Amino acid sequence: DAKTTQPTSMDCAEGRAANLPCNHSTISGNEYVYWYRQIHSQGPQYIIHGLKNNETNEMASLIITEDRKSSTLILPHATLRDTAVYYCIVRVNFGNEKLTFGTGTRLTIIP
Amino acid sequence: ETGVTQTPRHLVMGMTNKKSLKCEQHLGHNAMYWYKQSAKKPLELMFVYSLEERVENNSVPSRFSPECPNSSHLFLHLHTLQPEDSALYLCASSQGHPTGSGGYTFGSGTRLTVV
Repeated sequence: DAKTTQPTSMDCAEGRAANLPCNHSTISGNEYVYWYRQIHSQGPQYIIHGLKNNETNEMASLIITEDRKSSTLILPHATLRDTAVYYCIVRVNFGNEKLTFGTGTRLTIIP
Repeated sequence: ETGVTQTPRHLVMGMTNKKSLKCEQHLGHNAMYWYKQSAKKPLELMFVYSLEERVENNSVPSRFSPECPNSSHLFLHLHTLQPEDSALYLCASSQGHPTGSGGYTFGSGTRLTVV
């Protein structure tokens, strides 16, 4: 899997959009960008993934740059329950390719 | 509930005990995984089972012994553990491409304390 780089921690005010960056400059053409989050002492939760087009679901939006070397996860209206560690992972999407976690970004939503 | 159920949620065991962690999924997934998460460390992949066959063992000590009797159940048998084995043990399942998103579904984990 290609390596990703994320800030160690970020704060965001409640109700504002949280923008979490991720750099993946060595991503291969067949690798997807996945985002997961882990709320304290729970299992990670899948958020969203994409290849090269921007993606949106009920949880978040994923913006991938045209060169695919970086991406941003956007939580449009952050709530206190969005406080968690957010992991950006790149991996191919075939078979049951393993998921390797880094240290992620600890996002704290401030009331 | 995520669809992946782990029991027990908490476990305290002595170094000479034998215990087992259980994971169950009814999502129709064809692969299951064990991860370990120690304090202030990233998740570490321990074992991978695909179609009930172990396909990966990431240099895990033999005091951890996985078992996958069918596609819905996964066990982690523990014996003669050390205090440094205290951690959150997470089970996950996935359905490979192309029918699935490639995403993993995790259980809530078992918090293990070895005394």
